[in-house]
Amino acid sequence: GAGVSQSPSNKVTEKGKDVELRCDPISGHTALYWYRQRLGQGLEFLIYFQGNSAPDKSGLPSDRFSAERTGESVSTLTIQRTQQEDSAVYLCASSLGGGGRGGYEQYFGPGTRLTVT
Amino acid sequence: DQQVKQNSPSLSVQEGRISILNCDYTNSMFDYFLWYKKYPAEGPTFLISISSIKDKNEDGRFTVFLNKSAKHLSLHIVPSQPGDSAVYFCAAPPGGTSYGKLTFGQGTILTVHP
Repeated sequence: GAGVSQSPSNKVTEKGKDVELRCDPISGHTALYWYRQRLGQGLEFLIYFQGNSAPDKSGLPSDRFSAERTGESVSTLTIQRTQQEDSAVYLCASSLGGGGRGGYEQYFGPGTRLTVT
Repeated sequence: DQQVKQNSPSLSVQEGRISILNCDYTNSMFDYFLWYKKYPAEGPTFLISISSIKDKNEDGRFTVFLNKSAKHLSLHIVPSQPGDSAVYFCAAPPGGTSYGKLTFGQGTILTVHP
């Protein structure tokens, strides 16, 4: 069975350019999450989707960050006018929506390592 | 405000011995906790969880203990194996809701020496 996949696995971009990161969740998982992990840090929540709506965007660090999800499938995280502090591993996770344990256990993709030069 | 804290950045253990990883939390609304393991260049993988209605949950070599009064949980790995070498994160979802963002600790790097 396919897990969460992310592309690209690595992205090097110049400061000021826009980047788009893609996440394919596990089929049937209605909840999707984006996190980022800076070097030596823990995982930092960015945004959460339930279906294609985003009830919690509280972690997006600035208006340069946006995300969308089509249906209950693919999500893209877009960072405009990238800055060096955006360099991090961006992780996507999905889970079963709804109550109980299935909603809590999130399954992560391998991440996209973004380097802004 | 660091709501979930792992105060030990690293832990080194001999193969066959017990590994104990600790985690403290400050938010009394948290009522469910998870441990994740992360290898380099991979995403975190779910390891074990515990609900606040329990004080212990065991799965094979892994046991999580929860002390609600101290707002402390720990992960015990017995016996430790070299393949357990990874970064371990404790995490908690928002209390009182069925799903949502996880708040992660900073992680503890476990190294198990052969």
